[in-house]
Amino acid sequence: AQTVTQSQPEMSVQEAETVTLSCTYDTSESDYYLFWYKQPPSRQMILVIRQEAYKQQNATENRFSVNFQKAAKSFSLKISDSQLGDAAMYFCAYRRAYSGAGSYQLTFGKGTKLSVIP
Amino acid sequence: EAGVAQSPRYKIIEKRQSVAFWCNPISGHATLYWYQQILGQGPKLLIQFQNNGVVDDSQLPKDRFSAERLKGVDSTLKIQPAKLEDSAVYLCASSHFRRGSDYGYTFGSGTRLTVV
Repeated sequence: AQTVTQSQPEMSVQEAETVTLSCTYDTSESDYYLFWYKQPPSRQMILVIRQEAYKQQNATENRFSVNFQKAAKSFSLKISDSQLGDAAMYFCAYRRAYSGAGSYQLTFGKGTKLSVIP
Repeated sequence: EAGVAQSPRYKIIEKRQSVAFWCNPISGHATLYWYQQILGQGPKLLIQFQNNGVVDDSQLPKDRFSAERLKGVDSTLKIQPAKLEDSAVYLCASSHFRRGSDYGYTFGSGTRLTVV
């Protein structure tokens, strides 16, 4: 079974600074996706960034980027120029790649609560 | 496009009562999921539907939880009877996968259930 571990229950960052959230995972599969989701108090899970395991290039989305180390099974999220609106719970998640019928559940870590200090 | 709709937004019930949650996925999304998110944890899959068939319900407590997806569109999740440990946020999500294209998940805003 796949597992996802986030070792930082809480993090804080000064506004306009950079912060990195850590995530490690365990899987025996070779083709999969990794995600970072943001969950504000409104509770809706919002996709921040996605990484395909077969791609060596790290994904980036504006101020968000990842450091994907496949051999080490590590997937960290870097938020640059942090803004007050970035404050939320952040979840790392794993899903196997699509290959036809079957379960495509997302396996989540326990989350990291990010606070942004003005 | 419209998002995933869920209702109610909040629900408070006494233990041993029953409760039902409703979800309307994004139009055309064949796959629908129910997740349970206990406070301080990440969401955990309860059940996955493909159209109106069950694909994965291995983590659904079947002695008290049931779910259906009529006509492959809307879905209802029911708990009967509820226990204190069922207090959680229940998230519905939908997706549309096909080989070579991955449209990912879209989540609803969830229902917060409190069992007292």
